[in-house]
Amino acid sequence: GAVVSQHPSWVICKSGTSVKIECRSLDFQATTMFWYRQFPKQSLMLMATSNEGSKATYEQGVEKDKFLINHASLTLSTLTVTSAHPEDSSFYICSVAPPGQGAINEQFFGPGTRLTVL
Amino acid sequence: QKEVEQDPGPLSVPEGAIVSLNCTYSNSAFQYFMWYRQYSRKGPELLMYTYSSGNKEDGRFTAQVDKSSKYISLFIRDSQPSDSATYLCAMSVNTGNQFYFGTGTSLTVIP
Repeated sequence: GAVVSQHPSWVICKSGTSVKIECRSLDFQATTMFWYRQFPKQSLMLMATSNEGSKATYEQGVEKDKFLINHASLTLSTLTVTSAHPEDSSFYICSVAPPGQGAINEQFFGPGTRLTVL
Repeated sequence: QKEVEQDPGPLSVPEGAIVSLNCTYSNSAFQYFMWYRQYSRKGPELLMYTYSSGNKEDGRFTAQVDKSSKYISLFIRDSQPSDSATYLCAMSVNTGNQFYFGTGTSLTVIP
């Protein structure tokens, strides 16, 4: 499968600071990337769809001013958690959908970033 | 009601057992059904995908979809300790659309 990288893999920050998480598609150019959040023992919840060259599409209940998404290039999307608070502590995972999938529907997931806000 | 329901387990089985994992869903528009495996502190990796109803087999893994009952299953034959992970079902209406995930079932295969 395609290789998707995330950086950093683990970050600890103080409450009130901002944290940037990078997601890179290493095998192909991706016009669309997805950002998920996963709390312990819970499912992946889609936060937003990142579109290269346009604004991200946020899911209901996700604050776009708090979770800033920038799809800077066809291989890079960033998620910035602004003014992070302890309740933002979670596992953040990005995924990439290959272009021109046809009948195949697949997303390749990154290894995830564990954010702990003190 | 959640779009996708999945029993979180945990499920513990002896090595060699047949494992059955299931999800139910409410949206009859779902056409694509996927099973992902997620090891602790890692991102999910695709195991199987199925379009519409029917069965699909890949080695020790068999995926079944019953759209009339809105029920999907993943069977693991001859389970191995390396199969110990969380298994997530996922569904979507169409290619490129949002994926809806189950909560995941935690599986432990005991040697």
